[in-house]
Amino acid sequence: DQQVKQNSPSLSVQEGRISILNCDYTNSMFDYFLWYKKYPAEGPTFLISISSIKDKNEDGRFTVFLNKSAKHLSLHIVPSQPGDSAVYFCAATYTGTASKLTFGTGTRLQVTL
Amino acid sequence: DVKVTQSSRYLVKRTGEKVFLECVQDMDHENMFWYRQDPGLGLRLIYFSYDVKMKEKGDIPEGYSVSREKKERFSLILESASTNQTSMYLCASSFRWRPLAEAFFGQGTRLTVV
Repeated sequence: DQQVKQNSPSLSVQEGRISILNCDYTNSMFDYFLWYKKYPAEGPTFLISISSIKDKNEDGRFTVFLNKSAKHLSLHIVPSQPGDSAVYFCAATYTGTASKLTFGTGTRLQVTL
Repeated sequence: DVKVTQSSRYLVKRTGEKVFLECVQDMDHENMFWYRQDPGLGLRLIYFSYDVKMKEKGDIPEGYSVSREKKERFSLILESASTNQTSMYLCASSFRWRPLAEAFFGQGTRLTVV
């Protein structure tokens, strides 16, 4: 039972444009969401997070939006750069799980010149 | 900077061998995790530990065991390696009680079972 879903396995975006990566979840207990970025042959690195008490969080070129009623979150990257080409994982957790993260299947982003 | 170090980047083992994957973190984190990453399946949790000598099964614990004798070290054991355990293994650590605590990952171990 996949509680965190990323339905787009891949996405291609031109440099300078906006990249939008989507994530859906089914467990209504989730109250904290994170995005990780992963390059080949490396471990994932934390990118940005959002608590369920917010609907938006920004960090430079990265913005995460949360729609709790739809159980949907998205990561916006503006402007996209070639160095953003990586696999992006959405993850979720909830209070009481000792910060155990449940991950989605990932979306491979390719930023083209 | 948080550092999570996995003992090997690449391993090749034979079917039936007992395999040990080691992970060490230097940030005094209570939580440690073992995930495996497979194409199309994302990161799946094998086991995690929130304290020394404590362990809990994740989503796919079959064929694996773990050991946490010291706070900074978490070992994943494949009791009898099989080809379907060929995968990228990722160790992570985090604070247990700090709110909104993100996990920090090691560089991964690419295990091939032949």
